[in-house]
Amino acid sequence: AQSVTQPDIHITVSEGASLELRCNYSYGATPYLFWYVQSPGQGLQLLLKYFSGDTLVQGIKGFEAEFKRSQSSFNLRKPSVHWSDAAEYFCAVGAKGSQGNLIFGKGTKLSVKP
Amino acid sequence: DTGVSQNPRHKITKRGQNVTFRCDPISEHNRLYWYRQTLGQGPEFLTYFQNEAQLEKSRLLSDRFSAERPKGSFSTLEIQRTEQGDSAMYLCATGGEHSPLHFGNGTRLTVT
Repeated sequence: AQSVTQPDIHITVSEGASLELRCNYSYGATPYLFWYVQSPGQGLQLLLKYFSGDTLVQGIKGFEAEFKRSQSSFNLRKPSVHWSDAAEYFCAVGAKGSQGNLIFGKGTKLSVKP
Repeated sequence: DTGVSQNPRHKITKRGQNVTFRCDPISEHNRLYWYRQTLGQGPEFLTYFQNEAQLEKSRLLSDRFSAERPKGSFSTLEIQRTEQGDSAMYLCATGGEHSPLHFGNGTRLTVT
């Protein structure tokens, strides 16, 4: 079955510390992979996406993610977290060629300590 | 400005009532998607349109749900005979064909 697992429901980090959010996927075909961020009461905003090529992708707001096929993972990282990064982060997977019908993980809520 | 306007932002209704949500993309996109997000979960695909045609429907979309996109621009999602389990955030998005999804801010439905 196709699925996305985000093992951490809630993570708290100190401002200025590094961040890594985990994402594992199960998908029968070559996947398209995405990270979205959602602030309370808002829709989702795309942080970055991976289709093919370089397995380390850069996104907006200083985020990056690394695709590891052997581990079926697509972890999100940021070297130094800002208080404004507090939000919920969703990993998603889609079929090659489709960026619309996505399977989302349950999300990881990020809290940032001053 | 997300590029996708959804109305209303919040809707409280009593069980058994019908509700309708509207999605207005600001710019023209061939594709329009509806997703549902319940508390503590990620968004789940409901349906999508290519212009006026509804091309795919999820098993989540029971026969109480109907979506339309009559002129290939705005879209409506209607839920008939609402149930408490319908309480969720309903998200509309454009793109998905040659570009990533661009979401609106959603309509939060509470069924009492």
